[in-house]
Amino acid sequence: GDSVTQTEGLVTLTEGLPVMLNCTYQSTYSPFLFWYVQHLNEAPKLLLKSFTDNKRPEHQGFHATLHKSSSSFHLQKSSAQLSDSALYYCALRMNYNQGKLIFGQGTKLSIKP
Amino acid sequence: DMKVTQMPRYLIKRMGENVLLECGQDMSHETMYWYRQDPGLGLQLIYISYDVDSNSEGDIPKGYRVSRKKREHFSLILDSAKTNQTSVYFCASSYQNSGNTLYFGEGSRLIVV
Repeated sequence: GDSVTQTEGLVTLTEGLPVMLNCTYQSTYSPFLFWYVQHLNEAPKLLLKSFTDNKRPEHQGFHATLHKSSSSFHLQKSSAQLSDSALYYCALRMNYNQGKLIFGQGTKLSIKP
Repeated sequence: DMKVTQMPRYLIKRMGENVLLECGQDMSHETMYWYRQDPGLGLQLIYISYDVDSNSEGDIPKGYRVSRKKREHFSLILDSAKTNQTSVYFCASSYQNSGNTLYFGEGSRLIVV
């Protein structure tokens, strides 16, 4: 069945280093992928989503590229900031099942000074 | 104002008691959701509602039921709460054809003792 996998439960980085959070998926049909971010004691909110026309979505310095050949949608940023510390969820939209979203397990990103 | 409001934010109940979690949105979104969030499991879909009185089970509906009598209001009900229902519950809403950008509430933390 359709699923989303985030292999890292916790990623700890020093400020200024590059960020990459992994997301792989299994989907029966052509997927839409999303990244949501949740800061401490806040609601999850959309960070970015995949496009259908091969554009690379970007927001707040983060970007992600949908690679159908490897079924991946990794989140990247060139230089981590302290304010990037948060819980990040990758999500898959199931087009054939009335648009339900499946979320991955989440990756906690902790940025140290 | 694009807001999803959840009440109550914190709740402690004894095992076997009934629980009512309420959610409201001011965006006239057709679709509303209830998720629960547990460490290591991510966000799991309990129920989805496509409009008034049009509800569908998510991935973990057992032990829960929902009610949607007005488009802007979606309730989650636990009849006879169990200790394994201790969790943080998130309500979300979206436009039917928005590409599934979900707008989340700030969560309701339920402890069942």
